[in-house]
Amino acid sequence: EIVLTQSPGTLSLSPGERATLSCRASQSVTSSYLAWYQQKPGQAPRLLIYGASTRAPGIPDRFSGSGSGTDFTLTISRLEPEDFAVYYCQQYGTSPNTFGQGTKLEIK
Amino acid sequence: QVELQESGPGLVKPSETLSLTCTVSGGSFTGSHWSWIRQSPGKGLEWIGYIHYTGVTNDNPSLQSRLTMSVDTSKNQFSLKLRSVTAADTAVYYCARRGWSSSLDYWGRGILVTASS
Repeated sequence: EIVLTQSPGTLSLSPGERATLSCRASQSVTSSYLAWYQQKPGQAPRLLIYGASTRAPGIPDRFSGSGSGTDFTLTISRLEPEDFAVYYCQQYGTSPNTFGQGTKLEIK
Repeated sequence: QVELQESGPGLVKPSETLSLTCTVSGGSFTGSHWSWIRQSPGKGLEWIGYIHYTGVTNDNPSLQSRLTMSVDTSKNQFSLKLRSVTAADTAVYYCARRGWSSSLDYWGRGILVTASS
């Protein structure tokens, strides 16, 4: 199975700053079938990015995804207060589909 | 707007079977794949598997021997049965739609299932 390793585990930043989250796969992700999800306490995850770089409907353009092969990045260009949450990457090109362990984005 | 709602017992005894149903409203039930994901308390997400509306499944080998998924297109529902549960199966269980992009684009709110005597 493909293991996804997210870094850092916790990222402490202030509103207005830029956030860069990493997701590294143990083997190449098929056809860039890589998604990013945001999860807030007590809520279900929400799809942000699919296909490594395509924003889901309704997602603000401050969220962007990039990467291919084994290295992927989620960038939030200018943090808003509502962006502080846990972020997960998922590969869905190979079975079993797998998730990273998450990056917690917290207010500094 | 697609909405999903999980239902089932919140408490299951060890060695018994965990049974959950997800009811889908809005959108098209047929033509999609329907997924289960779980999250142990304070932990990350674990993919359980998905089922096509035709009944074809794809599931996690780590659970395969204990897992059955089914679908009822007449009720716009799909279901999960996990046999011989232990405390390690305690989690919030989510149902979700595997959308046209193959990512999980709509999620239920989740249901906490505790395996305890």
